[in-house]
Amino acid sequence: DVKVTQSSRYLVKRTGEKVFLECVQDMDHENMFWYRQDPGLGLRLIYFSYDVKMKEKGDIPEGYSVSREKKERFSLILESASTNQTSMYLCASSFPLVTEAFFGQGTRLTVV
Amino acid sequence: GESVGLHLPTLSVQEGDNSIINCAYSNSASDYFIWYKQESGKGPQFIIDIRSNMDKRQGQRVTVLLNKTVKHLSLQIAATQPGDSAVYFCAENSANTGNQFYFGTGTSLTVIP
Repeated sequence: DVKVTQSSRYLVKRTGEKVFLECVQDMDHENMFWYRQDPGLGLRLIYFSYDVKMKEKGDIPEGYSVSREKKERFSLILESASTNQTSMYLCASSFPLVTEAFFGQGTRLTVV
Repeated sequence: GESVGLHLPTLSVQEGDNSIINCAYSNSASDYFIWYKQESGKGPQFIIDIRSNMDKRQGQRVTVLLNKTVKHLSLQIAATQPGDSAVYFCAENSANTGNQFYFGTGTSLTVIP
């Protein structure tokens, strides 16, 4: 069974904290993605990576950074968390050709 | 940017009826489309996909129809069951968007027993 695993289901952080969201996939996928999901806005792409140490900005990268040191792991970093980053964060992975993406279960982050 | 939208944010159907969920897209170069189902508290799950060289594809109780002329995609669920209650997203991908997936805002399907 294919798996994308996000390290936390729920997180509560304080404004200004540095936050790390971790994602691991076991499918040897080259592509990995971070999305945030907000009511009425659907899924919006924050960053994606098509190879180790490679990254590309998505539609809403401001306030975020990413790290991909190993093929199976893709980390999303909130440099200084703000309340407008309260959201559901979804990690996904896929093969490089145009094909389906597999999602993790999501991390619901609340910044207070 | 890309625009992928859904006609209706919510849909209620009686158990046993067929459901139709619609999606419009704007990128005429889109060549791959997916429908995802997202249950409460879970990540999206793949339901069915279709490539732009096809008009129709069928799975188990689900059918996806693609009309490239009007850039419209639909998901049909036959004999809808309570377990089908979820939010459904369409997503599109194309080689010219660098493997990025663009998602619609979702339709919430409620099945009435």
